[in-house]
Amino acid sequence: GDSVTQMEGPVTLSEEAFLTINCTYTATGYPSLFWYVQYPGEGLQLLLKATKADDKGSNKGFEATYRKETTSFHLEKGSVQVSDSAVYFCALTLNTGGFKTIFGAGTRLFVKA
Amino acid sequence: EADIYQTPRYLVIGTGKKITLECSQTMGHDKMYWYQQDPGMELHLIHYSYGVNSTEKGDLSSESTVSRIRTEHFPLTLESARPSHTSQYLCASSEGNRGSYEQYFGPGTRLTVT
Repeated sequence: GDSVTQMEGPVTLSEEAFLTINCTYTATGYPSLFWYVQYPGEGLQLLLKATKADDKGSNKGFEATYRKETTSFHLEKGSVQVSDSAVYFCALTLNTGGFKTIFGAGTRLFVKA
Repeated sequence: EADIYQTPRYLVIGTGKKITLECSQTMGHDKMYWYQQDPGMELHLIHYSYGVNSTEKGDLSSESTVSRIRTEHFPLTLESARPSHTSQYLCASSEGNRGSYEQYFGPGTRLTVT
C-alpha cells in the first residue's frame, strides 16, 4: 500500500550545522510531496512542496527535491538555527480519487545554541 | 496565513461527559479533516469530509462523530468521554482542486479526560 517512511528522531544538532532528514515513499501513480513543520503547541504548517518529478521545493532556507527514481524527498538545510527546533513531517497526497494524504511519523529536531 | 480555528485550545473534563470540539475555516475549502495526534507525534486520520452533508470515517477507529452542515464548520463530538480519549486533536482543510492539495491546520485542541 501507499506509505511514507522518514528517519527516526530525535535529531540533535548544533547551531549552523547541516541538516538532512530522509524521507522515502511508496505510492501508486504520481503523488504530490510535502514537508510540514509543527512548532511546540501549534498545528502543522506547510514548509515546502513539489508536485512532479525533479521539482525542487524551497522555503526559509529548507529545500527538498522530488526524486522519482529513488522515491525520495529528503529535507535539507545548510545552516540550522535554534528557531528551527520543531517536528518535521513528510507527506504525500495522491492526485486521484479522494486526494488522500499520508503522513510520515514525524522527526523531532533539536538545535542547540 | 491559514484561517482555520479550533476551540477550545485546552480542555480538561471528567469521564462520561459529552464534549464537542469546534473547527471552523474561512477559506471556503470543501475538504476538511480531523486527526488524532499521539504523544509520539504520529498523526491518525479519524474523520474527513469532502463537502456539506458528506462525512467518512478515517483510518483510525474512533468513538467520536462529526457533522458537516455548513462548508465552514466541522465539529467533532464525543458522547461519553473516557481517559483513552486523552489526546491532541487537529483539524485541517484543503482545497483539493486545481492542483492545490496542501492541508491547512488549526492550532489543535489538547483534551484531557480524568
